[in-house]
Amino acid sequence: SQTIHQWPATLVQPVGSPLSLECTVEGTSNPNLYWYRQAAGRGLQLLFYSVGIGQISSEVPQNLSASRPQDRQFILSSKKLLLSDSGFYLCAWTVGQETQYFGPGTRLLVL
Amino acid sequence: DQQVKQNSPSLSVQEGRISILNCDYTNSMFDYFLWYKKYPAEGPTFLISISSIKDKNEDGRFTVFLNKSAKHLSLHIVPSQPGDSAVYFCAASARSGGSNYKLTFGKGTLLTVNP
Repeated sequence: SQTIHQWPATLVQPVGSPLSLECTVEGTSNPNLYWYRQAAGRGLQLLFYSVGIGQISSEVPQNLSASRPQDRQFILSSKKLLLSDSGFYLCAWTVGQETQYFGPGTRLLVL
Repeated sequence: DQQVKQNSPSLSVQEGRISILNCDYTNSMFDYFLWYKKYPAEGPTFLISISSIKDKNEDGRFTVFLNKSAKHLSLHIVPSQPGDSAVYFCAASARSGGSNYKLTFGKGTLLTVNP
């Protein structure tokens, strides 16, 4: 069966520090991968998606970037965090269908 | 421009009664719709979906209704249970958009089922 992992689960970072969140999927090949953010009291905003290694599409211009160095690995990064980057970050995957399956999420607090 | 709208931020119902969660969309290209359930500090879990070629899909206590002419869908939960208390997200996809399978989410409705 397929599983999706995200780490860390919680992160507290100072403004201006770098960020690296990792997402890995097991039990499937060639998945589409997605990064979402849920800000406090708001819905799920799609940040990036990838249909293959090295292929990244950005949905919203922002302070973040994404990379897909391996088939089942998706990384969300920032060189300098802003206060507004605080939120709950979710990774999701799918293969050949609309139903996406989400990871457990990473709660990021920028102080 | 919000293409998927869940106009009720919250809903409270009694255990055993019906919960009805509503969702409206504006993009006529959307042809596949999903509902997700989310507990605090966890990722959303898939509940049920419906294609635009249908107007109803049922899975146990959960039924989704789609009214294409009104661009409206609803999720019915019968009977409601305290464990159903969570945030429910409506999502939509345009299959003609190719193989990226992007979803557009609403802002969610917090359902509270009171014992």
